[in-house]
This record gives sequence, structure tokens and C-alpha cells, in this order.
Amino acid sequence: DVQMTQSPSTLSASVGDRVNITCRASQSIKDWLAWYQQIPGKAPKLLIHKTSLLNNGVSSKFSGSVSGTEFTLTINSLQSSDFATYYCHQYNEYPWTFGQGTKLEIK
Amino acid sequence: QLQLQESGPGLVKPSETLSLTCTVSNGSISSSNYYWGFFRQPPGKTLEWIGNIFKSGSTYYNPSLQSRLTMSIDTSRNQISLKLTSVTAADTGVYYCASLGARIVVTGWGPGTLVTVSS
Repeated sequence: DVQMTQSPSTLSASVGDRVNITCRASQSIKDWLAWYQQIPGKAPKLLIHKTSLLNNGVSSKFSGSVSGTEFTLTINSLQSSDFATYYCHQYNEYPWTFGQGTKLEIK
Repeated sequence: QLQLQESGPGLVKPSETLSLTCTVSNGSISSSNYYWGFFRQPPGKTLEWIGNIFKSGSTYYNPSLQSRLTMSIDTSRNQISLKLTSVTAADTGVYYCASLGARIVVTGWGPGTLVTVSS
């Protein structure tokens, strides 16, 4: 199975900050990586797919990039609604696997 | 826009079978634009992919669940179903169904349904 190592597990930031969340894949997943935002009690929301493609209706403050097998989600100009948990997801091969999650907290 | 809704028992006893149904509305489960999946999330933990099913009925299962898992599709009812046998407390969590696409990996989610395995 492809292991997705996500970091940090918790991130404290302030409104207006820019933050980065990373996921490292244990092997090549090409560009088949997605990022989700999840608010407690709700289903995940797809933010980015295929590493850097913004899903329909998602703010351009979210962006995705890759260097080798390290994938990064960048969130610019944090607002209160951005404080949530974020997950990466590889869908290059079965079984699909997820990172452990990053909880973004207000500092 | 497609809508998905999971339904299930809520509480299942250990060693019994968990049965869930996902009903799709505002679109056809036979559409060539989509295929379908189930995911789950134990309390306080990350998401886990359970399996995918195509309109043809072909499936891909998570190997960790494969021996206990059956997914099926009912095009007449616009539903997909999941059966997981011999459940334990480790199967407790929120179960989600999702619509999946070739171009965009997940096009929609159901709201999720909490399943608790307890005697």
C-alpha cells in the first residue's frame, strides 16, 4: 500500500496567515493526489484534485504543488472558516489511502 | 446536482453483519459520468477507503476488508449497497458514500451515517 505521511498533525495559525501542509508518498503516485477540508460532523469537501487543480467553487486562496513525492497544500490569507482538518488522498493505485490529517487551529 | 444519502441501522452487534444503502437522487446511478464508492472514518481518526463499484457491477475492495465485504449496485432503485460481515468494535465509525468521476476524483459525498458496533 502507498503510505501517505502528512505533517504537521496540528498547526496553529492566525487569521491572515499563510500556511503549508505537506504529504509525502512512500512511492510515486504521479499527480494523483487530492486535498480535502473537513469540518467536524460534516463530510469532507474536495479542495484540490490531480495535485494542483482547484475543484469547482473552491477559493483560489487554496493551491497545491509537488516536489518529487512531497505534495503541499498552501492556504493564503486564513479566515475563520478555514480552521478545520485537512486530509491528503492518493488515488494513483488501489487501495486508495489517506494521510493522517492536519488540524488547523486558531492561535 | 447529484445527491447521495446513506441509510443503515446505526447499531450493530459484534459478529453480525453491517448493511448500508446509499440512495442516489437527481441523477442516474447508471450514468457513464460516475462510479461509486464507500469510505469510513472511525471517531477522531482519518478517512479509510472501503471500496468502489462501477455501473457494470465490477468492484475494487480494500484488501484489509475484502474477505468480509460485498458491494452491489441496484440500477432499478438507484442504490448502491455495502455488506460487511463479522463486525467488531474496530468497524465503528461514520460511513460515507461518494460519487466518483474520471476527471474529478470525488464529485460528491453523502452526509454520512454513524455505525456503532456494540452489544
